[in-house]
Amino acid sequence: AQSVTQLGSHVSVSEGALVLLRCNYSSSVPPYLFWYVQYPNQGLQLLLKYTSAATLVKGINGFEAEFKKSETSFHLTKPSAHMSDAAEYFCAVSWGSGSARQLTFGSGTQLTVLP
Amino acid sequence: DTGVSQNPRHKITKRGQNVTFRCDPISEHNRLYWYRQTLGQGPEFLTYFQNEAQLEKSRLLSDRFSAERPKGSFSTLEIQRTEQGDSAMYLCASSIFGLAGGPLRSGELFFGEGSRLTVL
Repeated sequence: AQSVTQLGSHVSVSEGALVLLRCNYSSSVPPYLFWYVQYPNQGLQLLLKYTSAATLVKGINGFEAEFKKSETSFHLTKPSAHMSDAAEYFCAVSWGSGSARQLTFGSGTQLTVLP
Repeated sequence: DTGVSQNPRHKITKRGQNVTFRCDPISEHNRLYWYRQTLGQGPEFLTYFQNEAQLEKSRLLSDRFSAERPKGSFSTLEIQRTEQGDSAMYLCASSIFGLAGGPLRSGELFFGEGSRLTVL
């Protein structure tokens, strides 16, 4: 079965430090990949998406992610964490025509930013 | 505000009661999705519509669940005879998809803030 795995349900970093949130997928077919962020009591907001163009994708709020087919990974990074980055982050995958008609989400990673 | 709107935001009910949630998508979006999110988990797909047609339903959507989008605009998700296991956040999302006289458009999903259900 196709699946998405986010390694680490909780990640803590100091303000100004590198943020690295890991996402791996299982599929023999190249997927479409997304990262969403969810702040408390809010809906999900799209950070960035990979749809078979450039393998390095830049998103909002200084985040970026790199698609590595050989590693079946799509890790999310940000060079310098800010307190406002504290939230839950979800990696999601869609297979098929590119329409995000049915996203499969990972279980999420809660990011804490320490002062 | 032209985002996805969900009502009510919170619902507390007793086991066995029926509940209904409403979702108003972004007006030009023809696709509407329902997801369920339990504590500590990512959202799980339930069903989606293109215009008024319900195109796919997850196995998670038991017979007690029914979703409608009668005029291709707002949608309702009804849960009959609620059980404690139904307690979750129910998320609605919308997107645009189709040709509309130009290149195939497949837009991102825009999510509402969710409707949290607590079944006592």
